[in-house]
Amino acid sequence: DIQMTQSPSSLSASVGDRVTITCRASQSISKYLNWYQQKPGKAPNLLIYKASTLQTGVPSRFSGSGSGTDFTLTISSLQPEDFATYYCQQSYTTLFTFGPGTKLDI
Amino acid sequence: EVQLVESGGGLVQPGRSLRLSCTASGFTFDDYAMHWVRQAPGKGLEWVSGISWSSGAIAYADSVKGRFTVSRDNAKNSLYLQMNSLRPEDTALYYCAKDMSANLYDSGASDYWGLGTLVTVSS
Repeated sequence: DIQMTQSPSSLSASVGDRVTITCRASQSISKYLNWYQQKPGKAPNLLIYKASTLQTGVPSRFSGSGSGTDFTLTISSLQPEDFATYYCQQSYTTLFTFGPGTKLDI
Repeated sequence: EVQLVESGGGLVQPGRSLRLSCTASGFTFDDYAMHWVRQAPGKGLEWVSGISWSSGAIAYADSVKGRFTVSRDNAKNSLYLQMNSLRPEDTALYYCAKDMSANLYDSGASDYWGLGTLVTVSS
């Protein structure tokens, strides 16, 4: 099975900061990597799919990159509504494993 | 507007069964694969099961394989999760999620989610 790791597990930042979250797969998953944002008490929200494609309606300050085993989610200029937990998910195999999450707070 | 509404959660004793349902609206249900994803209290997301538009492809996480069965009724715009031999570690909020594609092998990304239904397994 493919294992997903994320770093850091938590991150403190300020409004306006540029933030990068890393996701690593235990084996190559090509570009089959998705990113979700989850706020407390809410369902997850799809941000990016296939590593770099921005989901409709998601602000352009979010971007994704990477292929193979290493991926990044970048928020170019943090806004107050971006403080949340971020999860990566591989969809290369039909065991759609999530990463453990990165909690982004002030 | 896409809506996914889960139901069927509750308190159940270890070893017993429960059936979750998800009713979909606002999109052509039989055009898309569907997933169940769970989240234990205070923990991360865990993908549980997925089913293609036609039910021709089905997948399960190792943690539930052999105990859970996913199914769908396209005529009723509904997704189901039959959960047998429940364990305390199955305690979680269970989300129903819509895939962006019809087949499990095409996408795996979930663009719409329900609010979840809580399953608590305890004696």
